Amino acid sequence: GDSVTQMEGPVTLSEEAFLTINCTYTATGYPSLFWYVQYPGEGLQLLLKATKADDKGSNKGFEATYRKETTSFHLEKGSVQVSDSAVYFCASDTGRRALTFGSGTRLQVQP
Amino acid sequence: NAGVTQTPKFQVLKTGQSMTLQCAQDMNHNSMYWYRQDPGMGLRLIYYSASEGTTDKGEVPNGYNVSRLNKREFSLRLESAAPSQTSVYFCASSDGGSRTEAFFGQGTRLTVV
Repeated sequence: GDSVTQMEGPVTLSEEAFLTINCTYTATGYPSLFWYVQYPGEGLQLLLKATKADDKGSNKGFEATYRKETTSFHLEKGSVQVSDSAVYFCASDTGRRALTFGSGTRLQVQP
Repeated sequence: NAGVTQTPKFQVLKTGQSMTLQCAQDMNHNSMYWYRQDPGMGLRLIYYSASEGTTDKGEVPNGYNVSRLNKREFSLRLESAAPSQTSVYFCASSDGGSRTEAFFGQGTRLTVV
């Protein structure tokens, strides 16, 4: 079945550091790929998405590129802020059922 | 703009008790979902409803039932709660299909003692 694997956390960075959170997927067919973010005490909200190979999703300084050859969708940001502290979830969707989520990566950004 | 509304936000149950988690969306979405979130396991799909009048099992359906009451509402019922059902439950909705965004409620934190 479909699955998503992302790096375990927590990831602790200093403000203005570079962020990478790795995500790989397995799926039958060609899924759309998503990054969701969960701030403390809240539900998940969409951060960015890409619907086909080589697409780049971007939002709020975060970027991720859909790499079909490596089945990856790594999240990057050039300079993190304290306000980026949250849990980040990678997810895939082939349209057959529902989103399949990774286990989540907690990011802690220190001033 | 309410989006997806879940009630209650917090609940403590004793083993064997029953309860229903309510979810309503005001975005006219066709598809609705129930997930549970457990530490280190991400979100796992319990049940989903691709359209009004249909429901299907997800990854972890045992111990739960659902009702798609109408297009807006999708409830999750625990008939006899067990400590293993202690979790945070999220309802979500979307237009359906692989390219569309899912919108999530704020979650229900359930503890079964």
